[in-house]
Amino acid sequence: SAVISQKPSRDICQRGTSLTIQCQVDSQVTMMFWYRQQPGQSLTLIATANQGSEATYESGFVIDKFPISRPNLTFSTLTVSNMSPEDSSIYLCSVVTGTGRNTEAFFGQGTRLTVV
Amino acid sequence: SQQGEEDPQALSIQEGENATMNCSYKTSINNLQWYRQNSGRGLVHLILIRSNEREKHSGRLRVTLDTSKKSSSLLITASRAADTASYFCASGFQKLVFGTGTRLLVSP
Repeated sequence: SAVISQKPSRDICQRGTSLTIQCQVDSQVTMMFWYRQQPGQSLTLIATANQGSEATYESGFVIDKFPISRPNLTFSTLTVSNMSPEDSSIYLCSVVTGTGRNTEAFFGQGTRLTVV
Repeated sequence: SQQGEEDPQALSIQEGENATMNCSYKTSINNLQWYRQNSGRGLVHLILIRSNEREKHSGRLRVTLDTSKKSSSLLITASRAADTASYFCASGFQKLVFGTGTRLLVSP
């Protein structure tokens, strides 16, 4: 298993500003994942953060809007840039442990972002 | 979209009753995982069922998997008010694809 500490847990931000979310894992992991959950919706993958290389973004998400850092194997940040009310969501980081059929994903407590 | 689907979208029951949620997915899987989310917070990992398993139990949870139908079900027996939450299934090797979720309300 993995224990993930994510902060802030919530924030209210003005439009046009940026917020950086931090995610700390209690063990070294190769990949970390960032998800977005819009109000009343399910989770959607934003990007995969690899240590030592650029993050890989899913369709509909771009680096300029969601820059990601991965300075080491236990830490990652996601920045939500130039925010608008449409960015109001819960943002979650995740790590995966195990291999093959035993692969399990664990999540941080999430960051509830409200943009006003 | 590769997103899975869950039904029902919402379920309201009384304490002590059983709750069944169904999940369908679209691609081949190594395993399928179920999560609970309380009040829009983080996801709690409930149970994992491997693609070569048909049924798995954990406490009051029972999960089934039918890979021929690409479907899974989560049964919560003897439900409690504390089980009130949203429940999601998720499939995928490392990058997860989530179902649409079921909002469960258990009334005392």
